[in-house]
Amino acid sequence: AQSVSQHNHHVILSEAASLELGCNYSYGGTVNLFWYVQYPGQHLQLLLKYFSGDPLVKGIKGFEAEFIKSKFSFNLRKPSVQWSDTAEYFCAVTPLGWGKLQFGAGTQVVVTP
Amino acid sequence: DVKVTQSSRYLVKRTGEKVFLECVQDMDHENMFWYRQDPGLGLRLIYFSYDVKMKEKGDIPEGYSVSREKKERFSLILESASTNQTSMYLCASSFGTGSSYEQYFGPGTRLTVT
Repeated sequence: AQSVSQHNHHVILSEAASLELGCNYSYGGTVNLFWYVQYPGQHLQLLLKYFSGDPLVKGIKGFEAEFIKSKFSFNLRKPSVQWSDTAEYFCAVTPLGWGKLQFGAGTQVVVTP
Repeated sequence: DVKVTQSSRYLVKRTGEKVFLECVQDMDHENMFWYRQDPGLGLRLIYFSYDVKMKEKGDIPEGYSVSREKKERFSLILESASTNQTSMYLCASSFGTGSSYEQYFGPGTRLTVT
């Protein structure tokens, strides 16, 4: 079955540490890729997206993600996290031409002061 | 700004009750979606609609139905609520074919079925 895998369910790190969250998908062909974030008590919001072009995409709040087609991966990174980055992060994929997103299970990130 | 609103933030219902969850978007989006969010499972698609009166089943449609009589409004119906439908329900909307498919989410309804 086609799926989206996020490698870590929980990540705990200190402020100023670097963050990398893995995401792999199993769809063949062209895909659109997204990372969404859900801060405590808030609704899901878009962090960044990839459709085509430069495989390194930059999003809000200093986040970036790299699309590696050969590895079916779209990993999220931030060089130096802040306490306010504590949130749940979801990777999502849609094959080109679809309107539906397939979400990963999410990664809960806790940043300690 | 795109706004997706849901009728309730918290809802408590009894087993067997009929439950209506309402969602309204103000961006003239063609597509609307209902998900449930459970810990460790991420978001799972229940139903979606790409036009008024059109609907398609998602990954977990059993026990649910939907209604879309107007473009801006998409309702999720639990015909006979059961305890395993206790969950967070999220509504989303997006533009249609040829768009970026970026989805905009509402704040969610936390439903407890007792």
